[in-house]
Amino acid sequence: DIQMTQSPDSLSASVGDRVTITCRASQSISRYLNWYQQKPGKAPKLLIYAASSLQSGVPSRFSGSGSGTGFTLSISSLQPEDFATYYCQQSTSTPWTFGQGTTVEIK
Amino acid sequence: QLQLQESGPGLVKPSETLSLTCTVSGGSISSRDNYWGWVRQPPGEGLECIASIYYTGTTYYNPSLKSRVTLSVDTSKNQVSLSLSSVTAADTAVYYCVLSHGSGSYFDFWGQGTLVTVSS
Repeated sequence: DIQMTQSPDSLSASVGDRVTITCRASQSISRYLNWYQQKPGKAPKLLIYAASSLQSGVPSRFSGSGSGTGFTLSISSLQPEDFATYYCQQSTSTPWTFGQGTTVEIK
Repeated sequence: QLQLQESGPGLVKPSETLSLTCTVSGGSISSRDNYWGWVRQPPGEGLECIASIYYTGTTYYNPSLKSRVTLSVDTSKNQVSLSLSSVTAADTAVYYCVLSHGSGSYFDFWGQGTLVTVSS
């Protein structure tokens, strides 16, 4: 299985901050990398697919980049509704695997 | 609007079989290019893909669970069903029904999830 590792595991930030989360794959996954946001008690929500494509309806403050084994999710100006856990997922080979998650907390 | 709704018992005894159903509304389960699946999340932990089925009927099972998992589709009821046999406490999790809609390699629709606890 391809292992996905996110860093950091958690971070504290203030409203208006720029936040960056990193995801690394144990082998090259080209650009088959997706990002999800999960709020407590809710199902994950797709934010970014194919490394950098913004899912319909997702605010433009979210952006993704990277290819191969290294990827980033950025939030340009953190909003109160963005405090959540974020997961990366590779979909280049089965089983599709997720990172362990990064929790963004209020500072 | 496409909606996925999981249903099934919230409590299963160890060694028994966990059975869940995902009912799809707002769309056809046999639509071209759809890829249906199940993802689970143990309490306080991360996400794990369990199994999935392509609109052609081709199935995929996570190798770590393959010997215990069965996935099926009932097109007349617009449902996808999951069975997981010989459960243990480690199978306690929220189980999500998911859909990869079209030819994308991502899950763009999720059910609300259902918590299944394995306990005697």
